[in-house]
Amino acid sequence: AQSVTQLDSHVSVSEGTPVLLRCNYSSSYSPSLFWYVQHPNKGLQLLLKYTSAATLVKGINGFEAEFKKSETSFHLTKPSAHMSDAAEYFCVVRLKTSYDKVIFGPGTSLSVIP
Amino acid sequence: GAVVSQHPSWVICKSGTSVKIECRSLDFQATTMFWYRQFPKQSLMLMATSNEGSKATYEQGVEKDKFLINHASLTLSTLTVTSAHPEDSSFYICSARKLGGQNTGELFFGEGSRLTVL
Repeated sequence: AQSVTQLDSHVSVSEGTPVLLRCNYSSSYSPSLFWYVQHPNKGLQLLLKYTSAATLVKGINGFEAEFKKSETSFHLTKPSAHMSDAAEYFCVVRLKTSYDKVIFGPGTSLSVIP
Repeated sequence: GAVVSQHPSWVICKSGTSVKIECRSLDFQATTMFWYRQFPKQSLMLMATSNEGSKATYEQGVEKDKFLINHASLTLSTLTVTSAHPEDSSFYICSARKLGGQNTGELFFGEGSRLTVL
């Protein structure tokens, strides 16, 4: 069965310091993986996606993530946090079922301290 | 871009009434739309998969007679919460996949609809 784990429910960083949001997946095949961001009472915006091309994926707003098959991880990073990065982040894995579902991780809430 | 619009964004209703939420893909065709429910400070829970022109596929534990889904066109899916009760209060989010976008798996999300049942 496929699943997604986000090890940290909440991460707090100071503005200008690096961000690391962790994601591990469980899948019997090479998955497609995504990171989405959600600001309060808003829908989700795609940050980046991995679909079996380059393992280091660059996304919007300076975020990037590296797919590591040996570690079954897809951690999200950013060199320098900005106040506007404070939001909820979801790691998502795509399933290859008959109707092609995606499964959301539990989410990580990022706080940025000025 | 790929814009998905949900309406209404906020709705308050009395217990026992029905509420309809619309999900529209504004600038693309979507053969498949997904409906999610999100409780405060929790992740999104997939409720059902809506395919244009056919019956929706509901996830285990989701009452199909309670949450009616219609996907009558390639740009519109609706979720109707029938005989709503306070426990149905939640944030409902839809997402849509572009026609031909099956290989990328990328989904485009609406802004969500906050339902409060009094």
